[in-house]
Amino acid sequence: AQRVTQPEKLLSVFKGAPVELKCNYSYSGSPELFWYVQYSRQRLQLLLRHISRESIKGFTADLNKGETSFHLKKPFAQEEDSAMYYCALATQGGSEKLVFGKGTKLTVNP
Amino acid sequence: GAVVSQHPSWVICKSGTSVKIECRSLDFQATTMFWYRQFPKQSLMLMATSNEGSKATYEQGVEKDKFLINHASLTLSTLTVTSAHPEDSSFYICSSTSGGSALYNEQFFGPGTRLTVL
Repeated sequence: AQRVTQPEKLLSVFKGAPVELKCNYSYSGSPELFWYVQYSRQRLQLLLRHISRESIKGFTADLNKGETSFHLKKPFAQEEDSAMYYCALATQGGSEKLVFGKGTKLTVNP
Repeated sequence: GAVVSQHPSWVICKSGTSVKIECRSLDFQATTMFWYRQFPKQSLMLMATSNEGSKATYEQGVEKDKFLINHASLTLSTLTVTSAHPEDSSFYICSSTSGGSALYNEQFFGPGTRLTVL
């Protein structure tokens, strides 16, 4: 069965500190992984996807198939990064369905 | 990015009544729409996938007769919670993809609808 695990419900860092939000997945096929973000009182939106291999708002995430991980990283956190972050997995077959992790609430303190 | 709207944003109803939630894609044609349910402080759980003009595909454990989904046009999908009960109280979120050549298309999310059943 497909599963996405985000072990940290809450993560608090100070402004300027590095941040890493962990995500592990379970899937026997070739996964596509995403990070979605939800800022306060806003809707869920795509932050980045592994297939694009891009950096968005200073965030990067590398898919590690050996460790079945897709951790989200940023070297210097900003206060505006405070939000709820969800890791999501899309499975093969073109169904476009996403399996979400439970989310990590990131708080960046001044 | 593409915009998805939901109406209403919140609704309170009496137990036993039915509630309809609309999900619209405002500036693109939504080939596929998804309906999620989110309990407080929990993740999004996919309820069903709907494609325009065909029957919705429900996830395991979701009662299709209770959660009626209609995707009659490329810009509108509706979720009707029939004979609602307090345990149906939740945050319902829709998302849609626009189709296209990408294998996995970005999902654009609506703002959600808070349902409270008294």
